Amino acid sequence: GNSVTQMEGPVTLSEEAFLTINCTYTATGYPSLFWYVQYPGEGLQLLLKATKADDKGSNKGFEATYRKETTSFHLEKGSVQVSDSAVYFCALSDRRGSQGNLIFGKGTKLSVKP
Amino acid sequence: GAVVSQHPSWVICKSGTSVKIECRSLDFQATTMFWYRQFPKQSLMLMATSNEGSKATYEQGVEKDKFLINHASLTLSTLTVTSAHPEDSSFYICSARRGPGGSEAFFGQGTRLTVV
Repeated sequence: GNSVTQMEGPVTLSEEAFLTINCTYTATGYPSLFWYVQYPGEGLQLLLKATKADDKGSNKGFEATYRKETTSFHLEKGSVQVSDSAVYFCALSDRRGSQGNLIFGKGTKLSVKP
Repeated sequence: GAVVSQHPSWVICKSGTSVKIECRSLDFQATTMFWYRQFPKQSLMLMATSNEGSKATYEQGVEKDKFLINHASLTLSTLTVTSAHPEDSSFYICSARRGPGGSEAFFGQGTRLTVV
């Protein structure tokens, strides 16, 4: 069945460091891919998404490219800030464009130190 | 973005009692709501999907008589954990979708349930 695997945390970085959180997936068909972020005490928020191969999702300085050949959707940011400290979830939907039925990774906790 | 409010944020209950968790879409009408469960260091697992005015669709392995879901209005869905046991202790998260497939889903902040 469909599944998502993302790197385990926690990840601790200094401010302005480069961030990569790896995410790979297993899916049949043409899934849509998502990154969600959960700040302390808040609900999950959609960070970015990509609905087809080679699409790049971007938001708030974060980027992720849908790589079908490597079944990956790694999250990157060139210079992290303390305010980026949160838990990040990679997810896929087995229906193109739909976020209804989501399959999540375990989440990666990011802590950014000043 | 739209706001989904989940209440309570945390609850502690005695084994054998029932607990109700509410999920409200505050500024939009949610035709579909989803309930997830998350164990420590595990993924969010979809428990059930509910459409307003109809019975919830449960995922395989989820006991519908134990996890009662009601979606009586376009802004409110409730999850009731009946006869709770310690193994039901978990983090429960709801999400709400404004329209048909293709619309963004918005998440509540989650409810930490501890059964003692």
